[in-house]
Formats: sequence, C-alpha cells, structure tokens
Amino acid sequence: GAGVSQTPSNKVTEKGKYVELRCDPISGHTALYWYRQSLGQGPEFLIYFQGTGAADDSGLPNDRFFAVRPEGSVSTLKIQRTERGDSAVYLCASSLTGGSGYNEQFFGPGTRLTVL
Amino acid sequence: AQSVTQPDIHITVSEGASLELRCNYSYGATPYLFWYVQSPGQGLQLLLKYFSGDTLVQGIKGFEAEFKRSQSSFNLRKPSVHWSDAAEYFCAVGATGANNLFFGTGTRLTVIP
Repeated sequence: GAGVSQTPSNKVTEKGKYVELRCDPISGHTALYWYRQSLGQGPEFLIYFQGTGAADDSGLPNDRFFAVRPEGSVSTLKIQRTERGDSAVYLCASSLTGGSGYNEQFFGPGTRLTVL
Repeated sequence: AQSVTQPDIHITVSEGASLELRCNYSYGATPYLFWYVQSPGQGLQLLLKYFSGDTLVQGIKGFEAEFKRSQSSFNLRKPSVHWSDAAEYFCAVGATGANNLFFGTGTRLTVIP
C-alpha cells in the first residue's frame, strides 16, 4: 500500500517568505508527527496530532511555526517569515494510533527546505 | 528526559565484514528502542524494535540488536555487511506516555569493496 507522502520534495525560498509543507499519511493512521532534521543531526520532534487536534506542539521552536490537520488526514506545516536557520529536512510520520512511545512510526521521504 | 547517544559519527567496513553500531540511551524506566535506516533521498525505515521480553531482537535485512539494561545500550549488529547497507543509521527511544521518538545523531556507514 501507499506510504507516507510529502510534497514538495524540495522547496527553495527567500528569507522572510511564507512556506507550506504538506504531508499525506498512511490511510487509517490517526496519529501524525512532524520532525525537523538539520544537517548532521537526527530528527527532532516538532508536533504530534491525534486526529484533527494538535495533542502536543511542545517541539515547535517559536510562533512562526504552525501546523494543521483539519480533517484528520492530510497535514500542513506552515512557516512564516522564514529564516536561514529554518533550512532543514522536514519529516512527517504517521502511526496507527498514538500517545505512546511504542507505536511504530512510518516516515515519509521528507521535504528539503532551503532558505536563501 | 530521554536522550540517545550514538558515539560513532562515521564507520567504514569492508563488504562481508561484521558490523556493530553503538547506541546508548538515557531514560528512567524501561524504554522502547528502535533502529532506523535512512538512505539518501529516502525516508527512515524501521529495522527493528525492542519493547520487552527477549533482549536479542531480530530485524529486517539480517540485522539484530541486543538490549542491555545494565549498560543502557542497544547496539545494532550484522554478521556480514553488504554494499547496499551503506546508509545513515539512527537509534531512537520512545517512552510510555510520550508522543514522540528521541533520536540520536546518527552513524553514517560506508561499505568498501
């Protein structure tokens, strides 16, 4: 079956611009996660959705970052007033259920964001 | 708080040689432990996981890992490496009630002929 998909695969933008990154999880997965992977680092948690609601947004670095999942499936990560430090690969993952550390998370290929 | 340490940034092995990638974690209770592999342009793929029970777990692609509570370690092993194993490997820990995984910084594996 289809895995987690993310679009675009690459996004180049200018400092100060607004960007949207899209994630399409595995069908039927109620939990959705966003992670950010900077060069030479492991993925770092940003936000977790259970259904339509953001159950845990403790990883969002500041209020320029926002994410939605209005119908409990597709999610969009939104970054306002982008900064060069936002350049990273943004990973999306989904799992059948959430809220516990043992739920297997399935990852998408990521969106590489470059802020010039 | 949970944390994961992968002390080796880069490892080079010859094809056919054995492999061990190190992972140490910090967590107060029994952790949920994972190993993921990431090839260029690909998403993270789960190799294996440990939740409880037998401390030696088998995964895909011939990998195995052993949970050692006394050493807070979860090292990944493979008896004979193939050129296609060249990739970045990440150890991760999850915790009861936690919503996310905590990842190490990864170990890049290079396989030489």
